[in-house]
Amino acid sequence: EAGVAQSPRYKIIEKRQSVAFWCNPISGHATLYWYQQILGQGPKLLIQFQNNGVVDDSQLPKDRFSAERLKGVDSTLKIQPAKLEDSAVYLCASSLEPGPPYEQYFGPGTRLTVT
Amino acid sequence: RKEVEQDPGPFNVPEGATVAFNCTYSNSASQSFFWYRQDCRKEPKLLMSVYSSGNEDGRFTAQLNRASQYISLLIRDSKLSDSATYLCVVKNTDKLIFGTGTRLQVFP
Repeated sequence: EAGVAQSPRYKIIEKRQSVAFWCNPISGHATLYWYQQILGQGPKLLIQFQNNGVVDDSQLPKDRFSAERLKGVDSTLKIQPAKLEDSAVYLCASSLEPGPPYEQYFGPGTRLTVT
Repeated sequence: RKEVEQDPGPFNVPEGATVAFNCTYSNSASQSFFWYRQDCRKEPKLLMSVYSSGNEDGRFTAQLNRASQYISLLIRDSKLSDSATYLCVVKNTDKLIFGTGTRLQVFP
């Protein structure tokens, strides 16, 4: 079974530039998550989709971050404009349902460096 | 106070040793608990769920104490391949809250 796919794997941009990340979840997984993982910290949920609807975006900095999941499959996360503190790994995860057994499958992540 | 707190380590142990990690959580209404493993520069992967009665998977044993809001992970007979960061994870409503992780380094 194919896992969660993400691209690009690495991205270096200058502050105030824009960047977009793409995620393709495991086939059939209704729930998709975007996490931010800063070095030395655990993943922090940015946004959760159930199919193409937003379930939770309470920790998404909406002045600069946006995300969409058109057609309930692929998703994109955008940062515009980027700040130095956005340097992190952006992880996409998916799960069959938000309910039990609650296991989330993570993609390899996109490592973003903002200079 | 952080929602999920862990000792960041690192824990440096020899092969064959037994090592235990602890984790505390602040929300008494938390519903489910997990340990995830994250290798260096890799994505997190579910290691095991944690049940109230305690559960074991080979060399790994997880315990939950709801009264003290405390979760533990015990690894017996450590292997070099156990070297990784172990993330304590708590589920509140539909959201997973991750701890900062405890780094384990097993040496020969």
